[in-house]
Amino acid sequence: DAGVTQSPTHLIKTRGQQVTLRCSPKSGHDTVSWYQQALGQGPQFIFQYYEEEERQRGNFPDRFSGHQFPNYSSELNVNALLLGDSALYLCASSFGSSGETQYFGPGTRLLVL
Amino acid sequence: AQSVTQLDSQVPVFEEAPVELRCNYSSSVSVYLFWYVQYPNQGLQLLLKYLSGSTLVESINGFEAEFNKSQTSFHLRKPSVHISDTAEYFCAVSDLPNSGYALNFGKGTSLLVTP
Repeated sequence: DAGVTQSPTHLIKTRGQQVTLRCSPKSGHDTVSWYQQALGQGPQFIFQYYEEEERQRGNFPDRFSGHQFPNYSSELNVNALLLGDSALYLCASSFGSSGETQYFGPGTRLLVL
Repeated sequence: AQSVTQLDSQVPVFEEAPVELRCNYSSSVSVYLFWYVQYPNQGLQLLLKYLSGSTLVESINGFEAEFNKSQTSFHLRKPSVHISDTAEYFCAVSDLPNSGYALNFGKGTSLLVTP
């Protein structure tokens, strides 16, 4: 049973560029949430996708956007990258109707120079 | 929005000693509570959770946590730690379904187990 997978594992970008991160949920899960974890901090909720729509959003600017595909996989897009966007980006999946438990992927480490 | 306070940023402990990692949350309404563990350069692994029922929950590797509604706490304990327990531990809380179960995390407690 495959767990949550994310790609790429590492990424280096420069300020002003755009980046796309990808996530495949755990088998049987239909809900994907994205979190940002800055160095030495706990993860912060970015947004959640269910039935291909954004269901919930945290306190992040519109530069952060996402998408969910019919196969439940998801993308996180960040435009106009800032140095402060450097972080570990975590994807978590759950089952929509009883989605109280989220399972996390290994993360994508983004470095913005 | 919920907030979570992990009272200790670092906890050093000797192998085979007991340990308690403290967690308090802000709300008195019904919540779900979680502990996640993060090993270096890895994602988060679910350690244990409280959703309802018995206030004492246990994990398969000897950790336990007790939900205390009156003190709004969910402290994590283990009677005897191993070197392999060295990791970052995060307490998290989520509101009920109308929030989509978005998790609010504490800043983490770094557990360092030494021989």
